[in-house]
Amino acid sequence: GEDVEQSLFLSVREGDSSVINCTYTDSSSTYLYWYKQEPGAGLQLLTYIFSNMDMKQDQRLTVLLNKKDKHLSLRIADTQTGDSAIYFCAGNSNSGYALNFGKGTSLLVTP
Amino acid sequence: EPEVTQTPSHQVTQMGQEVILRCVPISNHLYFYWYRQILGQKVEFLVSFYNNEISEKSEIFDDQFSVERPDGSNFTLKIRSTKLEDSAMYFCASSRDRGAGELFFGEGSRLTVL
Repeated sequence: GEDVEQSLFLSVREGDSSVINCTYTDSSSTYLYWYKQEPGAGLQLLTYIFSNMDMKQDQRLTVLLNKKDKHLSLRIADTQTGDSAIYFCAGNSNSGYALNFGKGTSLLVTP
Repeated sequence: EPEVTQTPSHQVTQMGQEVILRCVPISNHLYFYWYRQILGQKVEFLVSFYNNEISEKSEIFDDQFSVERPDGSNFTLKIRSTKLEDSAMYFCASSRDRGAGELFFGEGSRLTVL
C-alpha cells in the first residue's frame, strides 16, 4: 500500500505563511487531498488536486504538486489562530476506493 | 450544505459486546466508507461499499466487522464481539464518484471498549 509521510509538527506566528509538506510513494494516485482536523472533531476536506495539475489555489490555500518527486505541499497564507489544527495529506489507492492518509501535521499558530 | 451524520457520537461498551455504529451519507452519493483513527495515530481505511456490496476492504476489516445499508439512507458498521483494541474514532464517509474528487467525512463516533 501507499506510504504517505508528513512532518509531525509546525509552529508559525499569526499573519505568517505556513507550508505543510507531504511525500507519497504511490505514483498511481490520481487525486491528492488535504484534510483538516480540529480537536475532537471530524475530518474537513480543505482542498484536493488532480494528479495532472501542478498547482491549485483556493483563497488562502495553495497546493503545489511535484509529481516527479512525489511531493505535495499546502501553503496557508496569512495564517490565523483558527488555522491551528492537524492537517492530513492523503492520496487515493490503486483501486480508487481507499484513501491512504499520512500521520498528520499539527499546526500551532501563535499570536 | 449537505453533510454526513453519524450516531452515536460516543459509545462505551464492554469487551465482547456487539456494537453498531450508524451513518447517514449525503443523499446523492453512491460510495460509502468506514475509516478509523486510533488515538494519536493516522486515519486508516476499513471498507468501501457500493451498489449494496463491499467493493474493497483492508486487513483490519476481519470477520468481526460487517457493513450494511438496511434502507435507502442509513449505512451501518457492526462489530460483533468488541476487543480493547477496537477503541478508536470511527469515521463514515461518502462520495459521489469512486476515488475522484470530494470525499466527505462525518464527525465520527468514538468507541471506547472497557
